[in-house]
Parts: sequence; structure tokens; C-alpha cells
Amino acid sequence: EPEVTQTPSHQVTQMGQEVILRCVPISNHLYFYWYRQILGQKVEFLVSFYNNEISEKSEIFDDQFSVERPDGSNFTLKIRSTKLEDSAMYFCASSEQGMAQHFGDGTRLSIL
Amino acid sequence: KQEVTQIPAALSVPEGENLVLNCSFTDSAIYNLQWFRQDPGKGLTSLLLIQSSQREQTSGRLNASLDKSSGRSTLYIAASQPGDSATYLCAVIRGAQKLVFGQGTRLTINP
Repeated sequence: EPEVTQTPSHQVTQMGQEVILRCVPISNHLYFYWYRQILGQKVEFLVSFYNNEISEKSEIFDDQFSVERPDGSNFTLKIRSTKLEDSAMYFCASSEQGMAQHFGDGTRLSIL
Repeated sequence: KQEVTQIPAALSVPEGENLVLNCSFTDSAIYNLQWFRQDPGKGLTSLLLIQSSQREQTSGRLNASLDKSSGRSTLYIAASQPGDSATYLCAVIRGAQKLVFGQGTRLTINP
């Protein structure tokens, strides 16, 4: 069964450094998303992406965040200057229009 | 602002029992509702999607219902097994496919 894959599984970064989280969505899906889950808290929406542009973003997704689909298979989330409070599990998801969203196993981001 | 609440926060039952997990949401103008399971340290596995025009969906031992007018959904698990132990999340969709999640119900099935 097709699945969403995310790399790396765990990323440790010094505060203030840039980090790029990578995702390969399911191949025939056209809608892509990033969510995050801080330890012990709810899963929170960050951004949705369709047709090479952002469809919707949350208030968390400020100027320090950006997304890109650099080629036909990858979807990336960049955090320009990481803060301690960016430590969380980051999930990528993809879907067809109006259908279930399928999630990857996540990248655990630890900011030191 | 859409709020999603799941009750109970944790549930422990003996193997073989049928059980119901509850999800409520404040804004009934949703498109779809999706149920997930999350194993510790893992990603979210999609279980069922109920579209706004539907009232229920079934997959194997799982049955999910949706009552938009009352802002409620239930996930029914029949003949529970130890492998069903996980956190179950519900999420509603409105707008550009943005999912709004509940806090989850942590389910433990005791052999």
C-alpha cells in the first residue's frame, strides 16, 4: 500500500540554525500538508499546499517557516532560525481532493 | 473557532469487549470527519473518513457515525483485541482541507 515517507526520523539542531524536513507524499495525491505535535499536546495544522502554492496556513506558520515542492516527488518544510519552542514531532500528510489524509511517521525535531 | 473534544481521555477494558469512543465538535459546518489511531512515537494511521453527506462508515470491526446537527461522532470497536491498544484521534475538516484534531482517547485493552 502506498505510504507517505518522511526523513529524517529524528533531527537534532542548535537553536538559531536552519532545518529542512523532507517528505515524499503518495504519488497520485495533489494536496499536501504539514502538522506538528508538541509532546503531550494536540496535533496542530501548520500549512496546506496545492497546485504549487499555499492554500491555507495557521498562525503558527510565520515568516520563519516555508514550504516547497522542489520536484515532482518531494515536499519540504524549512524553518529558517529554529527556536526552543519549535521542538515537536512534525508530520507530513497528503490526500486526493475531498478524501482521507494519509500521514507519514513523522520527524522528531529537537532544538538544543 | 472550531474546537474538538474527545471523551474519555483514557479507557481501559478487558479483551473481547465492545466499546465506544466519543468525539464532539463545536461548529457543525464541517466537510468531513476522520478517525485515526496513533501508536506511541509513531505517525497517524487513517481508520475511517466520514463525508458530510454520510452518517456512518464501517471497516472491519470499526464503525464510525456522524451527527452533524448535534456536533458528535462515535467510533465503535467490536470484540476488542490487545492490538487495538493505541490513542484514537478524531479530526474534522473545514476549509482548505485543514484538519482540526481532538486530544485523543488513550485505549488499553487488557488480555
